[in-house]
Amino acid sequence: NAGVTQTPKFQVLKTGQSMTLQCAQDMNHEYMSWYRQDPGMGLRLIHYSVGAGITDQGEVPNGYNVSRSTTEDFPLRLLSAAPSQTSVYFCASSYAGGSNQPQHFGDGTRLSIL
Amino acid sequence: TQLLEQSPQFLSIQEGENLTVYCNSSSVFSSLQWYRQEPGEGPVLLVTVVTGGEVKKLKRLTFQFGDARKDSSLHITAAQPGDTGLYLCAGSFYGGSQGNLIFGKGTKLSVKP
Repeated sequence: NAGVTQTPKFQVLKTGQSMTLQCAQDMNHEYMSWYRQDPGMGLRLIHYSVGAGITDQGEVPNGYNVSRSTTEDFPLRLLSAAPSQTSVYFCASSYAGGSNQPQHFGDGTRLSIL
Repeated sequence: TQLLEQSPQFLSIQEGENLTVYCNSSSVFSSLQWYRQEPGEGPVLLVTVVTGGEVKKLKRLTFQFGDARKDSSLHITAAQPGDTGLYLCAGSFYGGSQGNLIFGKGTKLSVKP
């Protein structure tokens, strides 16, 4: 009954370091996405995937890479961390990318860049 | 660029009071969802509305979708401390990429006993 699992829950990085935020879902959902949540800004879409091998950019993709080699996993990579990337990151999945589909969110990764 | 305006941004009320949260756009939604988020957790879906004029009820929560499908509201009757949280509306727009959701900035609700 795991749903969407994100790891790690907390991370502190130094400027310039790279890291990967992990996201896995066990619901066989085709559509997965990454959001960042900043105070007063709501949730903003970073990247999304409509199925294994297919990814596309969202509203704020700069500084992030994604890949989707399996249906279950959708990691988010920070190439060279910057203080502006300090945020809470949420991964979400849904059965399909249609507008009526409920998004299932993980509990987030809280990332601080020093 | 579709924008989704949510108001009010903050709301602090006493237990037992009623409240309404609004979600508006200049563009027509193909559908709209309401989520609730508690501290340290991800958003959880409350409801999806699709048809203009639609009204859905979830216990003390009533959701309305405007006739023109450009606005929605969430009304809570007799609020309880357990209703405290961040309420987010999220809309899909016709012509939007792959049905991606656009989120409002949220309404932070605090219900005091």
